[in-house]
Amino acid sequence: IAGITQAPTSQILAAGRRMTLRCTQDMRHNAMYWYRQDLGLGLRLIHYSNTAGTTGKGEVPDGYSVSRANTDDFPLTLASAVPSQTSVYFCASSSTSSDTQYFGPGTRLTVL
Amino acid sequence: GQNIDQPTEMTATEGAIVQINCTYQTSGFNGLFWYQQHAGEAPTFLSYNVLDGLEEKGRFSSFLSRSKGYSYLLLKELQMKDSASYLCAVMDSNYQLIWGAGTKLIIKP
Repeated sequence: IAGITQAPTSQILAAGRRMTLRCTQDMRHNAMYWYRQDLGLGLRLIHYSNTAGTTGKGEVPDGYSVSRANTDDFPLTLASAVPSQTSVYFCASSSTSSDTQYFGPGTRLTVL
Repeated sequence: GQNIDQPTEMTATEGAIVQINCTYQTSGFNGLFWYQQHAGEAPTFLSYNVLDGLEEKGRFSSFLSRSKGYSYLLLKELQMKDSASYLCAVMDSNYQLIWGAGTKLIIKP
């Protein structure tokens, strides 16, 4: 039972480069989420998807895009990375949008 | 605006009891969640409250008062492995989770 997997585990990226963080779940959950976690701040929602084929913006969507082509995968793309996007990124999923969210192991991203 | 407040850090002794408080002001309320997060790891679900009162689950209990915008997480018989951050989150009227910054709990022998 894998649950939610994320790749890569960590990445160092030059500013201006494009990067896609991958997230896959095998629980057949309808809803998926991307958060970033920064020291001293709570988790902040970047984008979410309540069901395959739909996406929505969270609290901090600027500079990020997502797609949800199928139930299992929810990639997050940074079109042109900036140093302020240095953070730990967590993907999460839940059976429906009102249910408990379960988290992947995270991706630690450093933008130089 | 929406706001979740919890203490930044707490220290407790192995074998003792500790209470971590959380107060909230949100646009609507569809439940309150507590998560545990060990350093360098993902948050893991601990408890969920949507009605007033106490929910008990082993050594952990969580209390909710909706009228006061207040919750606490009670940890009994503390063990060294309980050293972690504890995150309070409220589900708002849009079914989005609003997160507190977390309480770092340090357990001393």
